[in-house]
Amino acid sequence: KQEVTQIPAALSVPEGENLVLNCSFTDSAIYNLQWFRQDPGKGLTSLLLIQSSQREQTSGRLNASLDKSSGRSTLYIAASQPGDSATYLCAVDTSGTYKYIFGTGTRLKVLA
Amino acid sequence: KAGVTQTPRYLIKTRGQQVTLSCSPISGHRSVSWYQQTPGQGLQFLFEYFSETQRNKGNFPGRFSGRQFSNSRSEMNVSTLELGDSALYLCASSEDLDTQYFGPGTRLTVL
Repeated sequence: KQEVTQIPAALSVPEGENLVLNCSFTDSAIYNLQWFRQDPGKGLTSLLLIQSSQREQTSGRLNASLDKSSGRSTLYIAASQPGDSATYLCAVDTSGTYKYIFGTGTRLKVLA
Repeated sequence: KAGVTQTPRYLIKTRGQQVTLSCSPISGHRSVSWYQQTPGQGLQFLFEYFSETQRNKGNFPGRFSGRQFSNSRSEMNVSTLELGDSALYLCASSEDLDTQYFGPGTRLTVL
């Protein structure tokens, strides 16, 4: 059974720091992995989607890597800003039809 | 393009009742997925529809059901509500096997 774990559960950093969020999964047979952001009381916003054949994806200050063999993904946020404060979730698609299994999230707070 | 819309945004029901939630995907998107989010269990996959066909289903009891119409709009139904069904229900749409776009969710409270 696929399990997705995110460490740390919460993180507080000063503005301007570069930071790394971690996601690990137990079964390497995945179709893709997505990183999402969720603001309090709101829906999810997809940040990056990495297909199983890819190693990384980049969007602006965000970079996500995927290592299927070790069951790990990292989300790198460069030059963090207070507006980055949110809960970050990773999810793996185990079926190819959006049957995503989500991690428990990392709650990030960037202090001005 | 307009984003994913969900109605209603908030709902209060009592145990034993049934409820129907609606999701309108982004125009052109044929895949709609539903998720339940609770503080204890986190985000869990309910089901996914593509072109009116259910392609995948999560591990939820039969009280949870859904359907998709020819215009890609989707509904999910929960019958015989239980207190534990209180949650934020999210739907997401995509073109197919691509980035998902989430709606704001429907917050269901069961009393």
